[in-house]
Amino acid sequence: ETGVTQSPTHLIKTRGQQVTLRCSSQSGHNTVSWYQQALGQGPQFIFQYYREEENGRGNFPPRFSGLQFPNYSSELNVNALELDDSALYLCASSSRPGTDTQYFGPGTRLTVL
Amino acid sequence: SQQGEEDPQALSIQEGENATMNCSYKTSINNLQWYRQNSGRGLVHLILIRSNEREKHSGRLRVTLDTSKKSSSLLITASRAADTASYFCATDYSNYQLIWGAGTKLIIKP
Repeated sequence: ETGVTQSPTHLIKTRGQQVTLRCSSQSGHNTVSWYQQALGQGPQFIFQYYREEENGRGNFPPRFSGLQFPNYSSELNVNALELDDSALYLCASSSRPGTDTQYFGPGTRLTVL
Repeated sequence: SQQGEEDPQALSIQEGENATMNCSYKTSINNLQWYRQNSGRGLVHLILIRSNEREKHSGRLRVTLDTSKKSSSLLITASRAADTASYFCATDYSNYQLIWGAGTKLIIKP
């Protein structure tokens, strides 16, 4: 059984740029959730995708967007990067939509200069 | 806003001692989960407890839930150096959204 993987591990961008982060869900999982975790804080829910559709969204602006593909992998896109977007971005997969047990990837550390 | 808040923010104990951390939340829930995070990397699920359960065990972990007080506790018995990590509680804020606290940083001293 393959766990959740994320790429890249680290990323440095400048303000105003755009970034795409990628996530491969655990085998057998059809739901992916994305979180932003600032240093010293708990994760903040960005959105959840189930069967290629956005299933729910947290309090993030539209410049945060996502995709889920037929193989259930997912992308998080952030446009017009701001300094405050610097954080650890976590992807989690689960076997069904909702709030049950989630399996996290190692995260992508994004630094915006 | 944060639904869950862990207490204490940091905890330092000797190896072999028990560690207890608490989580309080604000609104009614269907389930509450505890996760561990090592060195700012991915989170690992520890235990999920549903609102109709009062206590749950997994190995050296014991979780209690008191819905009348809107609180939960995580007890780690016979702590080990490998237990050094941040521990987070998460509650279901909606059908799809988990709300997380800021975590308890646990340090196990040899």
